[in-house]
Amino acid sequence: EAQVTQNPRYLITVTGKKLTVTCSQNMNHEYMSWYRQDPGLGLRQIYYSMNVEVTDKGDVPEGYKVSRKEKRNFPLILESPSPNQTSLYFCASSPILAGEGEQYFGPGTRLTVT
Amino acid sequence: AQRVTQPEKLLSVFKGAPVELKCNYSYSGSPELFWYVQYSRQRLQLLLRHISRESIKGFTADLNKGETSFHLKKPFAQEEDSAMYYCALVTGGFKTIFGAGTRLFVKA
Repeated sequence: EAQVTQNPRYLITVTGKKLTVTCSQNMNHEYMSWYRQDPGLGLRQIYYSMNVEVTDKGDVPEGYKVSRKEKRNFPLILESPSPNQTSLYFCASSPILAGEGEQYFGPGTRLTVT
Repeated sequence: AQRVTQPEKLLSVFKGAPVELKCNYSYSGSPELFWYVQYSRQRLQLLLRHISRESIKGFTADLNKGETSFHLKKPFAQEEDSAMYYCALVTGGFKTIFGAGTRLFVKA
């Protein structure tokens, strides 16, 4: 089944403890992206990647890192999480983005930082 | 600044009534616009894209460059249309900007 998967789905952690949220897609998409969703703010883009080894900042990249070493994987890294990073995170992928491109979303990861 | 505005956080209509979810954008380039929908306990999924000018589930959306709008419309709302709707803008540099979303509630 063609899909985007994220792990873990739920995570509670403490301030300063490094964590990684994985994202994987099996559709051979070039484009991948991370978003955070907060009440009243909608989805805000954190980072995106047009292809392997190519990443760009979205609107809210501070406090996050990403890497794209393989086409199918796009992990989100929080080196030193803080409570303001408590949020619902979505990963998405797309074959092409301009015009026709549809983004396929993962199920979301709910992160709580205490 | 690049921005997508959805002025209504909540829209409540009766079944069979027309519905319009507003979306306005701010972007100096040529916009690529999309509507995404999130039903309860489901993933965010594409509803419409402006370039294809299609009608999905009875919804349509027309890009009005003069008014910088991409409003979503449906002539007769159904209960199953109740969901969260997001308007999204993709820039020439492939950055994606979402609006804050509008929750549509269709009453029986």
